[in-house]
Amino acid sequence: AIRMTQSPSSLSASTGDRVTITCRASQGISSYLAWYQQKPGKAPKLLIYAASTLQSGVPSRFSGSGSGTDFTLTISCLQSEDFATYYCQQYYSYPPTFGQGTKVEIK
Amino acid sequence: QLQLQESGPGLVKPSETLSLTCTVSGGSISSSSYYWGWIRQPPGKGLEWIGSIYYSGSTYYNPSLKSRVTISVDTSKNQFSLKLSSVTAADTAVYYCARIVVVVGGPPLLFDYWGQGTLVTVSS
Repeated sequence: AIRMTQSPSSLSASTGDRVTITCRASQGISSYLAWYQQKPGKAPKLLIYAASTLQSGVPSRFSGSGSGTDFTLTISCLQSEDFATYYCQQYYSYPPTFGQGTKVEIK
Repeated sequence: QLQLQESGPGLVKPSETLSLTCTVSGGSISSSSYYWGWIRQPPGKGLEWIGSIYYSGSTYYNPSLKSRVTISVDTSKNQFSLKLSSVTAADTAVYYCARIVVVVGGPPLLFDYWGQGTLVTVSS
């Protein structure tokens, strides 16, 4: 199975900050990379797919980049509703696998 | 608006079989554009794909769980179901059902709609 490694595991930031989360795949996955946001007690929500395509309805302050093995999720201007845990996921091959998550907390 | 709703017992005894059903509303489970899947999340931990099914009945399972998992579909009820046998405490988790998008050029492994999840605890 392809291993997905996120960094950092957690971070503290303030409203208005620019935040970057990285995700590394153990082998090349082209652009078959998605990002999800999960708030406590809620299901994950698809934010970005194909490494950089915003899902419908997702604010433009979210952006994704990368291909191959290295990917990033950037939140350009952190809002209060963005404090959550973020997961990357590869959908290049079976089984689909997720990163361990990055918790974005309020500083 | 598509909605997925998990249902089933919240408590299962060790060695027994966990059974959950996902009811899809606001869309047809028989659409050729989607697969349907199960994902779980142990308390405080990350996400693990369990398996997926197409409306025709074709299934794909996580190799780590394959010997214990059965996923089935009932198109007449717009539902799909999960059975996980011989459960242990390690199977305690929130279980999510999800819709899976058929991606051009890639396998159907992108989850675009999720149910709210249901906590299943394995305990005697």
